[in-house]
Amino acid sequence: QVQLQESGPGLVKPSQTLSLTCTVSGGSISSGSYYWSWIRQPAGKGLEWIGRIYTSGSTNYNPSLKSRVTISVDTSKNQFSLKLSSVTAADTAVYYCARVMTGYFDYWGQGTLVTVSS
Amino acid sequence: EIVLTQSPATLSLSPGERATLSCRASQSVSSYLAWYQQKPGQAPRLLIYDASNRATGIPARFSGSGSGTDFTLTISSLEPEDFAVYYCQQRSNWPPSLFTFGPGTKVDIK
Repeated sequence: QVQLQESGPGLVKPSQTLSLTCTVSGGSISSGSYYWSWIRQPAGKGLEWIGRIYTSGSTNYNPSLKSRVTISVDTSKNQFSLKLSSVTAADTAVYYCARVMTGYFDYWGQGTLVTVSS
Repeated sequence: EIVLTQSPATLSLSPGERATLSCRASQSVSSYLAWYQQKPGQAPRLLIYDASNRATGIPARFSGSGSGTDFTLTISSLEPEDFAVYYCQQRSNWPPSLFTFGPGTKVDIK
């Protein structure tokens, strides 16, 4: 059974860079034809896809965030990571990592709340 | 960008009743649509993919239908654990907007 776990600071100052890591267990991140994604959800609101990465390093990003987002993968650690630069209060949200199975998100992490505040 | 709209925003029903949720796309997504269930404090759970295929372990009372721009999630007989928020999601083969979610429908207890 694949499991995903997000980790990283829960508080980030405005204008700084948000950095999160997703650790995959129960299987190799490189096995199968899967992409790996980040999704976020502001409190009381809906879901917003941030971007995805393949284990080759190929990425796609949400156009609305593309200028600020970088997703990377470390297959040796079975991890992938998110960096979101120049954050504002609008970036405060629960951030989820997820596995992408033929375009759908079949396994999710539990989510981690990131608050942007000084 | 493909925009998904869901209706109604809230559906108030009793256990045992049938729930019918709608998702409409701003342009055709063929059958590339999924449904998720989210309970408070939890991550979403994949219920249906490719419009009508149940994900692993999903009870048969959940079914999906539709293609093109109009889709439906039906819960044949609501169980107490089914009261939650439901989101639809489309996947596009072409950038820039690969994945978008609908705003959600909350199914609450009447």
